[in-house]
Amino acid sequence: DAGVTQSPTHLIKTRGQHVTLRCSPISGHKSVSWYQQVLGQGPQFIFQYYEKEERGRGNFPDRFSARQFPNYSSELNVNALLLGDSALYLCASSPKDRGREPQHFGDGTRLSIL
Amino acid sequence: AQTVTQSQPEMSVQEAETVTLSCTYDTSESNYYLFWYKQPPSRQMILVIRQEAYKQQNATENRFSVNFQKAAKSFSLKISDSQLGDTAMYFCAFMTAYSGAGSYQLTFGKGTKLSVIP
Repeated sequence: DAGVTQSPTHLIKTRGQHVTLRCSPISGHKSVSWYQQVLGQGPQFIFQYYEKEERGRGNFPDRFSARQFPNYSSELNVNALLLGDSALYLCASSPKDRGREPQHFGDGTRLSIL
Repeated sequence: AQTVTQSQPEMSVQEAETVTLSCTYDTSESNYYLFWYKQPPSRQMILVIRQEAYKQQNATENRFSVNFQKAAKSFSLKISDSQLGDTAMYFCAFMTAYSGAGSYQLTFGKGTKLSVIP
């Protein structure tokens, strides 16, 4: 079975632009979470979606938004990009929205802001 | 809010030797989950081992084992018979067992960079 897939692999943008990152969960997984990993740090939680509803949001500005589609894939949108948004964006999926099931991560999208 | 602290930014170990990575956490909850994730240069975060706080027995997965000390809020990872493929960043992570909205999120430490030397 395919794992969590993210696209694109790498993206270069300039300040003020908008970006959309995409994630396809493992087949059968209904929960998708997004994390931001700045160089040299651990991942920080951004959003969690389950059954197309937002179930959790981390401490990120309103420039960050996300949605989940009927096929459980997800998009993360970031508006008005800042230099500080440069990071690895990780998507994770799990069958449910409860803690016992571990989250399975994709390879991430490396976003560079010039 | 929960916090996770990894006090060893970098460590190295000789191939075939044993190494222990440290992790402490802070929480007021009594039931939760703890994880160790491995992130090689390929970037993918891979689950190494998981511990449920209500289980007193330490989790083991082949060469990987943990020392879970709930009272001390300590969760260390021991890697036995280290292999070159163990070279990676290792992250300790916490998740509440509370099932309310917003509960299903991992809180990560800053990581420990482990190098296995031939």
